[in-house]
Amino acid sequence: EVQLVESGGGLVQPGGSLRLSCAASGFTFDDYAMHWVRQIPGKSLEWVSSISWNSGSIVYADSVRGRFTVSRDTAKNSLYLQMNSLRPEDTALYYCAKGAASGPVYYYDSWGQGILVTVSS
Amino acid sequence: DVQLTQSPSTLSASVGDRVTITCRASQSISNWLAWYQQKPGKAPKVLIYKSSTLESGVPSRFSGSGSGTEFTLTISSLQPDDFATYYCQQYHLYSSDPFGQGTKVEIK
Repeated sequence: EVQLVESGGGLVQPGGSLRLSCAASGFTFDDYAMHWVRQIPGKSLEWVSSISWNSGSIVYADSVRGRFTVSRDTAKNSLYLQMNSLRPEDTALYYCAKGAASGPVYYYDSWGQGILVTVSS
Repeated sequence: DVQLTQSPSTLSASVGDRVTITCRASQSISNWLAWYQQKPGKAPKVLIYKSSTLESGVPSRFSGSGSGTEFTLTISSLQPDDFATYYCQQYHLYSSDPFGQGTKVEIK
């Protein structure tokens, strides 16, 4: 069974940094792209970033490019999102999602439970 | 960027109703479209991919159709467990905004 468990969320001041982690299990992590999607409670889904199976292709949403960095660690079966220069509009529930293919543009066949990030002074 | 527009935004229906949700793309995305269901407080769950392929374990009352720029998700007979928000997502081309805005299916 695929399991994705996010951690690292919390309250941070505007301009601050936070690093999200996603621990993956139940599938061959190396074979699939991984993704971050966020959602302001009550609002629509917003794609944040994707990383291909071998980290060779990485893409970001316009709203986070230059501030967020996605990475993955094969040895730890983990996905990361380093978030810098955080803004109040980054406040959201952040989901880790497994792609259904190795490339960064595909649909998502498994999701974590989400982790809340709150950016406020 | 390809933009997706879902309609309606909210839909009120009764158990047993046939329900159809539409997703329109601003340019052709072939059949590279997925549909997700999200219940309050839960993560989204994929229902359909490649426009019409049912994800394993998803009830057969869900179906998808379409290609190019117009797509539909149909629930043939709405069940109590189906009251949720539904999103479409395109994966034909990189887009900074690959999701539709969502359709909330409410109890009439």
